Amino acid sequence: SQQGEEDPQALSIQEGENATMNCSYKTSINNLQWYRQNSGRGLVHLILIRSNEREKHSGRLRVTLDTSKKSSSLLITASRAADTASYFCAIPTRMAGTALIFGKGTTLSVSS
Amino acid sequence: GAGVSQSPRYKVAKRGQDVALRCDPISGHVSLFWYQQALGQGPEFLTYFQNEAQLDKSGLPSDRFFAERPEGSVSTLKIQRTQQEDSAVYLCASSLLLQNEKLFFGSGTQLSVL
Repeated sequence: SQQGEEDPQALSIQEGENATMNCSYKTSINNLQWYRQNSGRGLVHLILIRSNEREKHSGRLRVTLDTSKKSSSLLITASRAADTASYFCAIPTRMAGTALIFGKGTTLSVSS
Repeated sequence: GAGVSQSPRYKVAKRGQDVALRCDPISGHVSLFWYQQALGQGPEFLTYFQNEAQLDKSGLPSDRFFAERPEGSVSTLKIQRTQQEDSAVYLCASSLLLQNEKLFFGSGTQLSVL
């Protein structure tokens, strides 16, 4: 399958703890993106990391990309209840110039 | 507008009925995408437009699904003779220029086929 696969499927943590989600994929990519989806809403773009980048930060988010292992991780530090959502990685399709393909997501629950 | 707008927010259809779902992308965005999301799953790609040209429709599940974007802005996803398995959230997304770049999503249309 072209799509990324997130791991774990579900994650429950306490406020203040860190949350780590992983994404594995099978093909060569030029970028990988992470999105968040709150229940009943559309997806919100979090971060894009290009194939020549190894790590990228945005606020409390840290994304890594290991193209040799075909994997990426999303770390949320000092989690908050508001971080409760589903998180998806997305990669471009095999065909040049087409859509992003999404994995099945990791459901994160942060309790206070 | 400020974001991607989809209407209706909810749609209930009887099996066999035709439905039309509308997407207003962010003004000036060249690329527009439709996705289908089943409960508890990730979004599944349906089709992609660059301006008015439909460049990829490989994800449309059957010939009952049809999408258009005649003037390169608003897009409509039409489903003919709806079936229960069509029940899902239909998401529209747009991006400024290049495909594979950051997508802006609407809130989706939740379709329930009874």
